[in-house]
Amino acid sequence: DQQVKQNSPSLSVQEGRISILNCDYTNSMFDYFLWYKKYPAEGPTFLISISSIKDKNEDGRFTVFLNKSAKHLSLHIVPSQPGDSAVYFCAASRRGSQGGKLIFGQGTELSVKP
Amino acid sequence: EPEVTQTPSHQVTQMGQEVILRCVPISNHLYFYWYRQILGQKVEFLVSFYNNEISEKSEIFDDQFSVERPDGSNFTLKIRSTKLEDSAMYFCASSEAVAVEFFGPGTRLTVL
Repeated sequence: DQQVKQNSPSLSVQEGRISILNCDYTNSMFDYFLWYKKYPAEGPTFLISISSIKDKNEDGRFTVFLNKSAKHLSLHIVPSQPGDSAVYFCAASRRGSQGGKLIFGQGTELSVKP
Repeated sequence: EPEVTQTPSHQVTQMGQEVILRCVPISNHLYFYWYRQILGQKVEFLVSFYNNEISEKSEIFDDQFSVERPDGSNFTLKIRSTKLEDSAMYFCASSEAVAVEFFGPGTRLTVL
């Protein structure tokens, strides 16, 4: 099931610079997208989400951009901090479906160097 | 801040044994989920539960799996006869609506 893909398994960024994590999806029925952050041996922690009726959502240092025509979303972290080092997962869902299940990408491991 | 809790944090079992993984979702949430992550792979949906019944399940969630909300606070996942390939991190999640899901810390299941 490759409906949600994160093609970069890892990303290394200098502290203070911008981190850009990318995600592509194939199912045009998805209408809600989320980013989660995960540390080893912990559960995913919700970061930010976006509905398909928007193209941008911002929360502090985190901004998610959605390009529906390209079926692409990205997470921008500005400025990046060493504490941001973790695995980031994008996920997609169809809020109209009764189950509301999330389909996850494979994750991108972000390393922010001091 | 309310959070989802899971017990145990690590469960070791012999192949063929039954295991029950327990979760306490966030108290005012109405939707409950189980996901799993096999080492090195993506997080996969198993089952969603709403209004005391399964609302959706994946192909992974076969007859060996069952879920229950035995009281007003607990949500359990039972695996009747564990296989080696059931070894994974199992995450419980809950949500107020069909939107943002909040995850617990996970139970690491090791089947020997």
